[in-house]
Amino acid sequence: AQTVTQSQPEMSVQEAETVTLSCTYDTSENNYYLFWYKQPPSRQMILVIRQEAYKQQNATENRFSVNFQKAAKSFSLKISDSQLGDTAMYFCAFSDRGSTLGRLYFGRGTQLTVWP
Amino acid sequence: GAGVSQSPRYKVAKRGQDVALRCDPISGHVSLFWYQQALGQGPEFLTYFQNEAQLDKSGLPSDRFFAERPEGSVSTLKIQRTQQEDSAVYLCASSLGAGGGYTFGSGTRLTVV
Repeated sequence: AQTVTQSQPEMSVQEAETVTLSCTYDTSENNYYLFWYKQPPSRQMILVIRQEAYKQQNATENRFSVNFQKAAKSFSLKISDSQLGDTAMYFCAFSDRGSTLGRLYFGRGTQLTVWP
Repeated sequence: GAGVSQSPRYKVAKRGQDVALRCDPISGHVSLFWYQQALGQGPEFLTYFQNEAQLDKSGLPSDRFFAERPEGSVSTLKIQRTQQEDSAVYLCASSLGAGGGYTFGSGTRLTVV
């Protein structure tokens, strides 16, 4: 079974600072995708960043980057130059490329608050 | 349309009532997923469609839950004889195929009283 664990229920950071959200996962698969999603109060899940397991290079999207450690099954999200609009719930998610047809397994989320 | 549209945005149902939740995916998206998100939790998979075929319904919590996508476009999640534990946000997502690139709707918040 695939499981995703986010051990930080809440995090806070001052505007313009850097924050790292943690995520670990468990799977016996070798080929899979990892995601970070942002869920603001509007409830819509917004894709922040995506990593394919076979790629060793860490994914980067503007101020967002990941530290993917495949052997340790760790997938943390770093947000640089935090902005007030980054305040949201952040979910780590896993999807394998095999028989489960792309369904996502989510962690319980980390509530990030960016304060002025 | 430009995004995934879900309706209604909010639904209050009396215990025992039947409800129907609608998802209108992005045009041309083959894959459609339903997730249930309880308060303070991450979304949990309910069911998956590829076009009109329901390929995985292993996440449906009971036989009171039923989903359909008869023409491979709009999908409806139906919950019969609602119970308090059904209270949650129901999210729909669509994609061109498996492996990412999902677009989520804003969900329907169901409250059973």
